[in-house]
Amino acid sequence: DSGVTQTPKHLITATGQRVTLRCSPRSGDLSVYWYQQSLDQGLQFLIQYYNGEERAKGNILERFSAQQFPDLHSELNLSSLELGDSALYFCASSVLDRGLPNTEAFFGQGTRLTVV
Amino acid sequence: ILNVEQSPQSLHVQEGDSTNFTCSFPSSNFYALHWYRWETAKSPEALFVMTLNGDEKKKGRISATLNTKEGYSYLYIKGSQPEDSATYLCASLNYGGSQGNLIFGKGTKLSVKP
Repeated sequence: DSGVTQTPKHLITATGQRVTLRCSPRSGDLSVYWYQQSLDQGLQFLIQYYNGEERAKGNILERFSAQQFPDLHSELNLSSLELGDSALYFCASSVLDRGLPNTEAFFGQGTRLTVV
Repeated sequence: ILNVEQSPQSLHVQEGDSTNFTCSFPSSNFYALHWYRWETAKSPEALFVMTLNGDEKKKGRISATLNTKEGYSYLYIKGSQPEDSATYLCASLNYGGSQGNLIFGKGTKLSVKP
């Protein structure tokens, strides 16, 4: 158990819909990362939050957004869903040292999103 | 856009074989290189985090080396066992641009036959 909790584990929804994925980081970790893993793709970085503020943004679509709350849990919102958004979405958390994670990231179990 | 490349994409070995695979990453503004082990139906778990040129890390039969000047890292598995079957991911962390995010390669999928 990595200590990172993601809910739900599985989600099936229709095109055009909106879903919210939730992540609770390890106790004490201020930084949360979101990654997408599609078929035949590696882990694609979406976005990072640190202590409630957006720290870095990757290849995240405009239809997607995220936030980190005061209790440090994070939510990834996916809207106007398309078939191609079907993927495994991972959340990871880490401790930041001098602003950059030189310690490992701990991953949740992922949320499997299927858009039909 | 930073690219992290891993080779080979997949590898099939017999139990007892030793093997290695490569991770290439941008050498400019380098900060850290991470290796993760990802078993099917589980989440990635960290093996090593390396920051210094020439770093060598070892955990049991698995070891890794780092060359930050030329931008590559090798992961070695000595005497592979079936339980080593997994996808091995490396991730690079570089300064500048989007600081603080780990850029992952697509991984090397290792299958060890008994």
